[in-house]
Amino acid sequence: SYVLTQSPSVSLAPGKTARLTCEGNNIGTKRVYWYQQKAGQAPVMVIYDDNDRPSGIPERFSGSNSGNTATLTINRVEAGDEADYYCQVWDRASDYYVFGAGTKVTVL
Amino acid sequence: QVQLVESGGGVVQPGRSLRLSCVASGFNFGGYGMHWVRQAPGKGLEWVALIWSDEVYKFHTDSVQGRFTISRDNSKNTLYLQMNSLRAEDTAIYYCARNGTTHNGMDVWGHGTTVTVSS
Repeated sequence: SYVLTQSPSVSLAPGKTARLTCEGNNIGTKRVYWYQQKAGQAPVMVIYDDNDRPSGIPERFSGSNSGNTATLTINRVEAGDEADYYCQVWDRASDYYVFGAGTKVTVL
Repeated sequence: QVQLVESGGGVVQPGRSLRLSCVASGFNFGGYGMHWVRQAPGKGLEWVALIWSDEVYKFHTDSVQGRFTISRDNSKNTLYLQMNSLRAEDTAIYYCARNGTTHNGMDVWGHGTTVTVSS
C-alpha cells in the first residue's frame, strides 16, 4: 500500500516561514491535499490539487509537489496556525485514500 | 450553510455492532461522494470508507473490510456506517467528509462522533 511520510513536528517563531514536507514514491504524479486540524476540532482542507486554496484560506498557505516530495508552505506564521497538518493522496492503484501521519506545528 | 452532522457513537462491548449516521444539509447530497475517516485517541487520521454518489461503488480500508459497511440514503441526505464485530482498536472519533466534485480531497467535514469499544 502507498505510504506518505511526514516529519513529526516543527517549531518556529511568529513571522517565520514553515515548510512541511510529505514524502511518497513518485508523489509528484499524484494530486496532494493538505488539512489543518487544530486541537479538539475537525480537520479543515487548506490546499487541494497540490497548490490550490479553498475559499477562505489565507494566501499565506501554498503548496507544491514534484518528484517524491510535496510541500506545504506557511508564510508569516501566526499563533493561530498552530495545529496538526496532514497530507493526503488518492492511490489509484488501490482506490484507497491515504493520509500521512501528520506534522505538529508549534508557534513559539 | 453546508453542514455535516454525525451521530450514533457511544460505548460498546467488543464483538458488538453500532451504526453511525451523518446528516447533510446545505448542498445537493446526492451529487457527492462521501467518506468516513477516523482518528484514534492521540493518533492521526485514517481513511475508513468511501461511497460514490450513485450508491454503487464502495471502498473500505483493509482493516475494516468485511466488518464495516458504508451506505447512503440520498432521499434522506444521510450517510451511514454499519460497524459489526467491533474491536478495541476501532475506538476513535469518526468523521464524515464530503469528497470534492472536481478533485479527490475532502472539502467539508463533520464535527465527529466518538466510538469507544470496551468491556
